[in-house]
Amino acid sequence: ETGVTQTPRHLVMGMTNKKSLKCEQHLGHNAMYWYKQSAKKPLELMFVYNFKEQTENNSVPSRFSPECPNSSHLFLHLHTLQPEDSALYLCASSQDLLNTEAFFGQGTRLTVV
Amino acid sequence: EDQVTQSPEALRLQEGESSSLNCSYTVSGLRGLFWYRQDPGKGPEFLFTLYSAGEEKEKERLKATLTKKESFLHITAPKPEDSATYLCAVHGSSNTGKLIFGQGTTLQVKP
Repeated sequence: ETGVTQTPRHLVMGMTNKKSLKCEQHLGHNAMYWYKQSAKKPLELMFVYNFKEQTENNSVPSRFSPECPNSSHLFLHLHTLQPEDSALYLCASSQDLLNTEAFFGQGTRLTVV
Repeated sequence: EDQVTQSPEALRLQEGESSSLNCSYTVSGLRGLFWYRQDPGKGPEFLFTLYSAGEEKEKERLKATLTKKESFLHITAPKPEDSATYLCAVHGSSNTGKLIFGQGTTLQVKP
């Protein structure tokens, strides 16, 4: 496989559920990102990891919990979400924090009911 | 504060009708400006990176240019398959790799 792969592509969850989004990159990059894309809004950065270390938390509520076990994998753990959290969640990677030409996965379409 | 504004919000063209999309930006120090194409329900697909004023990049019917305040994405003789949302992003003063995105321009090309 090449590029950035996200699973699942679609997810419907209740407000009391716990679920996780997974991202894997095969580009040999060192930085990985989570972005949120809501309707009629620009992409919004959530978290940044560089060499497995979190370098940015863009004031994201604690019901979103990221995990980066190595430079190729990134998770977003979700719990007690709200309906307004429904959005397209995008994972991206770049060579590092200076070479930020980012490549995106196909996204996970999340619906909170 | 770094900021990106794209115009127009939506653009309808006839096949073969050339036009340009605009991306105006405000950053304290530009480290890179990026153009992406996004199809409905999919992730953004990387198109171009521009680093300094005067730089130009081309790919098929697309050409991106950069000045100190804005970037243009020129589409020459578009085809229906060019229909998509085009996103502009900048990497400015942040040391965290953070990209600031515009809201995008949704292009529809009619046959």
